[in-house]
This record gives sequence, structure tokens and C-alpha cells, in this order.
Amino acid sequence: GIQVEQSPPDLILQEGANSTLRCNFSDSVNNLQWFHQNPWGQLINLFYIPSGTKQNGRLSATTVATERYSLLYISSSQTTDSGVYFCAVRNTGGFKTIFGAGTRLFVKA
Amino acid sequence: DAGVTQSPTHLIKTRGQQVTLRCSPKSGHDTVSWYQQALGQGPQFIFQYYEEEERQRGNFPDRFSGHQFPNYSSELNVNALLLGDSALYLCASSSQQGSQPQHFGDGTRLSIL
Repeated sequence: GIQVEQSPPDLILQEGANSTLRCNFSDSVNNLQWFHQNPWGQLINLFYIPSGTKQNGRLSATTVATERYSLLYISSSQTTDSGVYFCAVRNTGGFKTIFGAGTRLFVKA
Repeated sequence: DAGVTQSPTHLIKTRGQQVTLRCSPKSGHDTVSWYQQALGQGPQFIFQYYEEEERQRGNFPDRFSGHQFPNYSSELNVNALLLGDSALYLCASSSQQGSQPQHFGDGTRLSIL
């Protein structure tokens, strides 16, 4: 089945710093989402981005489907950005969604 | 517009018991997927329901079963509970119309003693 790898696994930032999170996947996908899981376990939709570039405030994402990767950019990080960021993909023609292992982000004040 | 709702929020069971978790999808959604998230890991796909049938299943034993009702709500049943079934169980809904994102509920935290 499709493999999803996220990097880095852990990231510590000073408040105000920028960061880039990466998601590599091993097969063609027709669905890719980025989520933020807060300390209470809630999965918050950040982007639905099977291809192209999107921006929402301090966050933006780019997926290059032909090269099988997606990037999540966080600018001017805040302590409330702390948590785990997941990339989740679905194979073209399938119904099963596969999550990466996540990037654990801690933003220091 | 209510999002995905799950019940109960927390549950404590003992080994060997059976449990039923419930999920109501977001308004306008007709597809429900269930995930298990163990501590420190990403969510793992259990199965997906569409038109009241299981459409695809992940690597979970038959102890895990489900149901989807005509109003698109869904139940996840787990029999013969094991300590390793302790996890956060997440429900996600989506629409079959076009390529659509999934929306997740807040989950049910199941603890097995």
C-alpha cells in the first residue's frame, strides 16, 4: 500500500520563527489533507490540497503531485501552533486514507 | 451547521467486554470512516461506510465491526476488548460528490482496564 513519510519528526521553534514541514508519499493520490492535532486530540483541518498551492493566514501549503510530496509552511510561529501536524493521503481509485506519523512541533515563548 | 459529532467522549471498559461508539456525520455528508489512534501515533484507518455498506477495510480483526444507518450516522462495535484496544477512536465524514475533504469529530477516548 501507499507509504507516507513526514519530516522532521520533531521540531522546536522560538516564537516568531518560520518552518517547513514535509510529506512524501509513494504513489499517486487524489486526496491530500494537512491537519493540526491539538493537545486535546482534536484534528483541525488546515488544507485540502491534492495539488497546487493554498494560503490561509500564516499558513500555506504546496503539493507537487507529480513528484509525490507536499510542504506545509508556518510563518511567524506562535505558541498556539504547538501540537502534531499530520499529512493524510488517499490513493487514486481507493477509499482508504493513510496518515503519516506526524511532525511534533513545540513553539517556545 | 453541526460538524461531526461522536459519543461518548470517554469510556472505560474491562477486557473481554464489548463497546459501541457512535458518530453523526456533518450535514450534507454521506460517507463515514473510522480510525484508531494509539498514543503517540497517527490515526489508522479501520473501515469506511457508504450507502450502508462497508466499502473498504484496514488491517483490523473481525472483532471490529460497524454499521451505517439510512440517515448516514454510523456505529463502531468492538467485541472481546483487549488492553491494546485502548486508544482514541475518530470518526470522519465526507461527501461522495466530487473530490471532497474529510471532517473529523473530536473522538471517543476508550480505556481498557
